[in-house]
Amino acid sequence: GENVEQHPSTLSVQEGDSAVIKCTYSDSASNYFPWYKQELGKRPQLIIDIRSNVGEKKDQRIAVTLNKTAKHFSLHITETQPEDSAVYFCAAGDYKLSFGAGTTVTVRA
Amino acid sequence: DTAVSQTPKYLVTQMGNDKSIKCEQNLGHDTMYWYKQDSKKFLKIMFSYNNKELIINETVPNRFSPKSPDKAHLNLHINSLELGDSAVYFCASSQEGTANTEAFFGQGTRLTVV
Repeated sequence: GENVEQHPSTLSVQEGDSAVIKCTYSDSASNYFPWYKQELGKRPQLIIDIRSNVGEKKDQRIAVTLNKTAKHFSLHITETQPEDSAVYFCAAGDYKLSFGAGTTVTVRA
Repeated sequence: DTAVSQTPKYLVTQMGNDKSIKCEQNLGHDTMYWYKQDSKKFLKIMFSYNNKELIINETVPNRFSPKSPDKAHLNLHINSLELGDSAVYFCASSQEGTANTEAFFGQGTRLTVV
C-alpha cells in the first residue's frame, strides 16, 4: 500500500516569512495529492490539490509542487499570517488516500 | 447548512460498553468514509462505502462495524469499547473516491473511553 512521509513534524516561522512542508510517497500509481489544513479542534479542510499531470499549482499565497519521478511533493506558504497556524496534512493515493503524519505550523507574530 | 454532520460531538463511556456514532451528508456524494485521528494527530482511514457498498476495509478490529442504510448515511458501531479506542473519529464524504475529488469532513466525534 501507499506510504506517505511528511516533514517536518513541527515548523515555527516568523510572520511574513515562508513555510515549506515536504512529503514523499511510495506508490507510483498514486495520482492525486491533496493538502488539508486542520485548525485546533476543527475538521480537516482541503486547501489545495494537484494531480499527477501537473507539476505546479498556485492559489494566492499557497503553492504546491509535484515531482513524480522523485515521488515527492511540497506545500509552500508565502507571507505567512497568524491565521496560517494549524496542522497541515499531505495525502497521496489513487483509489484511496493515505495521509502524512501532519505538520504543526506556528506563525509567530 | 452543514454538509457532513456527525453525532455526537463528544462521547465519554466506560470500557466494555457498545456505542454508535452517526453520520449524514447532504452533498449528494456517492462515497463516505470513517477516519480515526489518534492523540498524535495521525489520520487513518478505517472504512469507505460507495453507494452503500463497502469498498475499503482497513485493518480494524471487528468490534468496529460500519452500516450504511443509504448513500447519505454511514454509521459506526463499536462493541466492547477499549481504552485504546479513545480518539477523534471523523466521517467524510466525496463525490467519487478520495483519489479524485475533495473529501469533506464532519466536525469529528471525540470518543473517550474510561
